[in-house]
Amino acid sequence: AQRVTQPEKLLSVFKGAPVELKCNYSYSGSPELFWYVQYSRQRLQLLLRHISRESIKGFTADLNKGETSFHLKKPFAQEEDSAMYYCALRACSNDYKLSFGAGTTVTVRA
Amino acid sequence: GAVVSQHPSWVICKSGTSVKIECRSLDFQATTMFWYRQFPKQSLMLMATSNEGSKATYEQGVEKDKFLINHASLTLSTLTVTSAHPEDSSFYICSARDQGRLEKAQYFGPGTRLLVL
Repeated sequence: AQRVTQPEKLLSVFKGAPVELKCNYSYSGSPELFWYVQYSRQRLQLLLRHISRESIKGFTADLNKGETSFHLKKPFAQEEDSAMYYCALRACSNDYKLSFGAGTTVTVRA
Repeated sequence: GAVVSQHPSWVICKSGTSVKIECRSLDFQATTMFWYRQFPKQSLMLMATSNEGSKATYEQGVEKDKFLINHASLTLSTLTVTSAHPEDSSFYICSARDQGRLEKAQYFGPGTRLLVL
């Protein structure tokens, strides 16, 4: 069975400081990893997919298979980045189910 | 594009009544939709996978007779919480996969808050 672990429930940083949200997973095969974000009073929305290798809103995430990690990083946090962030894993190529981590609440202070 | 709606956005009901929640994909077709439950300050827990034209697949520990799912069309899935009790109070979220896209991301609805008195 697959598992996604986000060790930090809360993360508080100052505006302009770097922010890193940790995500570790356990899965025996080759997973697909995602980061979803939920801003206050808004629905959950996709932020990043590891297969895209893209930067969205200044965020990047690299899949490290050796460390089974998919940490989310941004060099300069902005106040509008305050939100709940979920790491998610999709295990099987023919199965679109997602397993979510517990989530990390990020607060960016001025 | 890829908008998913849910109705109602919130509902309060008496214990013992049944509540139906609708999930619609507004601008795409979805053969597969998912129903999640989220408790305050906790993660999303997948309840079941809703498949258009066939029976839903329930996750372990989820009572299929309690949470009835019907996916009658390519744009609509419904979740009925039967004989609701206070412990069923939660935030229910659906998501849908756009079958027309190669990417495998899910698009989420805004959620339905259920309070059972």
